[in-house]
Amino acid sequence: DADVTQTPRNRITKTGKRIMLECSQTKGHDRMYWYRQDPGLGLRLIYYSFDVKDINKGEISDGYSVSRQAQAKFSLSLESAIPNQTALYFCATSVWEGSTDTQYFGPGTRLTVL
Amino acid sequence: DQQVKQNSPSLSVQEGRISILNCDYTNSMFDYFLWYKKYPAEGPTFLISISSIKDKNEDGRFTVFLNKSAKHLSLHIVPSQPGDSAVYFCAASLSNFGNEKLTFGTGTRLTIIP
Repeated sequence: DADVTQTPRNRITKTGKRIMLECSQTKGHDRMYWYRQDPGLGLRLIYYSFDVKDINKGEISDGYSVSRQAQAKFSLSLESAIPNQTALYFCATSVWEGSTDTQYFGPGTRLTVL
Repeated sequence: DQQVKQNSPSLSVQEGRISILNCDYTNSMFDYFLWYKKYPAEGPTFLISISSIKDKNEDGRFTVFLNKSAKHLSLHIVPSQPGDSAVYFCAASLSNFGNEKLTFGTGTRLTIIP
């Protein structure tokens, strides 16, 4: 079984709809992240959480919200989807080991907003 | 402002030869660098990393070189194999007492020609 899972894997929705992307992990890591990938722009950080009570904005958080329901679960919501939120979304986890923070990624969710 | 840059969107290399992927950064405070590999329909997977106190780190066929004065790092793969065909992202972070976040480059698509 995969250590980091994302649901759904693909989603098509319409402008104005509320969408939730879910991420679960079995790695036991405290830290979880949401990224989006756009062609030519690499991966950009949306939100991150270093533990259940800690939520932080990344570089592109506008239009998104998150919920850390448990150590193993971190959800990303688009309150009112718009076409430029069409992208590939990745969840990641990590554990800080004193000086390094290697991140482990889920398989991604491809979201299309029409 | 793109703090981590991969100026070559794509690279083709003959099987068995050396693949060299390059990455430049602008923030001199970055002190930890990573390479991730991404296959289609999968999330990025960690490949190799290097701390700024080193100038070289080797792991099997993969070697990462860091030139701090030039703010440049490179990934060497030798010999290149068909399974190395993927998109490669470099990433950088700065130590911040456990508050590290990764900044990713835009990726280089490597194609190994049999």
